[in-house]
Amino acid sequence: EVELLESGGRSVQPGGFLRLSCVGSGFTFRTSAMTWVRQAPGKGLEWVSGIIGSGSSKYYADSVKGRFTISRDNSNNTLYLEMNNLQVADTAVYFCAKGRTVAGNWGQGTLVTVSS
Amino acid sequence: SYVVTQSPSLSVAPGQTARITCGGDNIGGKSVNWHQQKPGQAPLLVVYEDYERPSGIPERFSGTNSGNTATLVISRVEAGDEAAYYCQVWDSPTDHMIFGGGTKLTVL
Repeated sequence: EVELLESGGRSVQPGGFLRLSCVGSGFTFRTSAMTWVRQAPGKGLEWVSGIIGSGSSKYYADSVKGRFTISRDNSNNTLYLEMNNLQVADTAVYFCAKGRTVAGNWGQGTLVTVSS
Repeated sequence: SYVVTQSPSLSVAPGQTARITCGGDNIGGKSVNWHQQKPGQAPLLVVYEDYERPSGIPERFSGTNSGNTATLVISRVEAGDEAAYYCQVWDSPTDHMIFGGGTKLTVL
């Protein structure tokens, strides 16, 4: 059974930095593309970033490009999202999901709150 | 960038058929996926590649995609189907994953 477990979300001030993690199990992590999707309070789903299995290709939404960096550690089955210069508009639950063109399995999410 | 549009809400009586639509320019040329999200829960993929069902998803869930409209069809609607439903595509020209705004399905 595919399992995804996110962590690292917390409250941070505007301009701050956070690194989110997502540990995958129950599937071959190193060959699986992965995705980050976020959901602001009371709002819909917004794609953030994606990465292929090898890590050699990465994709970003325009709203985060230049501020967020996606990466992965295939030896530890872990996906990361480094978030710099966080803004109030980045406040959301961040989900990791398996897949690149389709989000096939989802984690439970981790809450990031950006507030002064 | 590519845009997909969903109606915000839909109400259906139990036992009836719900049709949730997702509009986009020649969306029939793309592969459409549908995600169900119940309050306080993570999304769940219910239909992928227009009409395929992941393991464990009831046959009551099906999909179509043609022209400018993709449709998620839920037959014999049950109270447990009450949720937000999001369509999702991959836009190859921009390498972006695109979500619709979501449709809140209410079971009367």
